[in-house]
Amino acid sequence: DADVTQTPRNRITKTGKRIMLECSQTKGHDRMYWYRQDPGLGLRLIYYSFDVKDINKGEISDGYSVSRQAQAKFSLSLESAIPNQTALYFCATSTPGGSLSGANVLTFGAGSRLTVL
Amino acid sequence: GIQVEQSPPDLILQEGANSTLRCNFSDSVNNLQWFHQNPWGQLINLFYIPSGTKQNGRLSATTVATERYSLLYISSSQTTDSGVYFCAVEDNYGQNFVFGPGTRLSVLP
Repeated sequence: DADVTQTPRNRITKTGKRIMLECSQTKGHDRMYWYRQDPGLGLRLIYYSFDVKDINKGEISDGYSVSRQAQAKFSLSLESAIPNQTALYFCATSTPGGSLSGANVLTFGAGSRLTVL
Repeated sequence: GIQVEQSPPDLILQEGANSTLRCNFSDSVNNLQWFHQNPWGQLINLFYIPSGTKQNGRLSATTVATERYSLLYISSSQTTDSGVYFCAVEDNYGQNFVFGPGTRLSVLP
């Protein structure tokens, strides 16, 4: 099983619908992140969480919300989806000291491709 | 905030050729990572390299922290090396990773 699992992997929805993307991890990492990828723009941070009671906005949080239900689970919601939220969404985890080098190294899920019509 | 640039934006190589990808960043960093995104979209961590040089098979990376750049070398490229290569740096508050726009590599058979 993957260390970081995202569901669904692909989703097509209509404008105005509520969408939830879910992420779970088995790495025991404290930190979890949601990134959005658009062609030619790299990855941009939406929200991040350093523990269950900690939620922080990233660069592009407008139109999104998150919930950290447990250390291992971090979900991203689009309350009312719009077409410019069509993108590839990645969940990632990390923890300082969590790698062999002791560094804060990112591990990504496989991505969730969202299309809003 | 910290800015990250990558060059070239696109690179086309014949199988067996060597290449160098560059990442420039605007401030001192304690954490720099290189990632490969394969054609199926998966992001794989290649190197954690805030300074110095590391090698892993045909890939190696060098970061000159004092001059704020990192280089990723790919030798004897293979078609499976195709994809997008990203560098990411952690901001000085330890809060966030900032990604460059990526270099798209296409290795032709």
